Amino acid sequence: GQNIDQPTEMTATEGAIVQINCTYQTSGFNGLFWYQQHAGEAPTFLSYNVLDGLEEKGRFSSFLSRSKGYSYLLLKELQMKDSASYLCAVMGSGGYQKVTFGTGTKLQVIP
Amino acid sequence: ETGVTQTPRHLVMGMTNKKSLKCEQHLGHNAMYWYKQSAKKPLELMFVYSLEERVENNSVPSRFSPECPNSSHLFLHLHTLQPEDSALYLCASSQGTSGGAGGELFFGEGSRLTVL
Repeated sequence: GQNIDQPTEMTATEGAIVQINCTYQTSGFNGLFWYQQHAGEAPTFLSYNVLDGLEEKGRFSSFLSRSKGYSYLLLKELQMKDSASYLCAVMGSGGYQKVTFGTGTKLQVIP
Repeated sequence: ETGVTQTPRHLVMGMTNKKSLKCEQHLGHNAMYWYKQSAKKPLELMFVYSLEERVENNSVPSRFSPECPNSSHLFLHLHTLQPEDSALYLCASSQGTSGGAGGELFFGEGSRLTVL
């Protein structure tokens, strides 16, 4: 089976840095995704990691450690519009046909 | 605008009704998916179609019946649903490959279903 854990809620201050963690246990591994979902909207792709290390994309970075079954999403220079849910998803041995999502972390950015 | 369009956006139905959700993708993708999103629960994969062939059925009750007439269109037929089926139903598409980010999902806005 597959198990993905991430915190339910987080609060951070505008302009600050926040790190959202995700731990996973899966049968096989073909990559890890992060998605952003604003309330009432569709999830949108943020990042994909398949090798260990840090992938940077503007204000957002994503890190992966396959040996530890661990990833984090780092958001810098937080803006109010970053208030959203952040979904961690793992593509296991079933490939693209079997992407499993965590429950999501609801981030609230406060002034 | 993600290139994936779902209709209707909102649907209210009784337990004896029959209705359908429609999804269309304009991205040239080979795989299409139905996900169910309920409050405080992870996105649940329901069905996966690859090149119009169903490749995954995640133990979904038979009151949900998918149909994929071609690689651009996906339907979810609903009949004799239960109140606990009330949720946001998300359609998604992807390139349909597991290499690189080929598994990246492009989601529609969702159909909010309420079963009375």
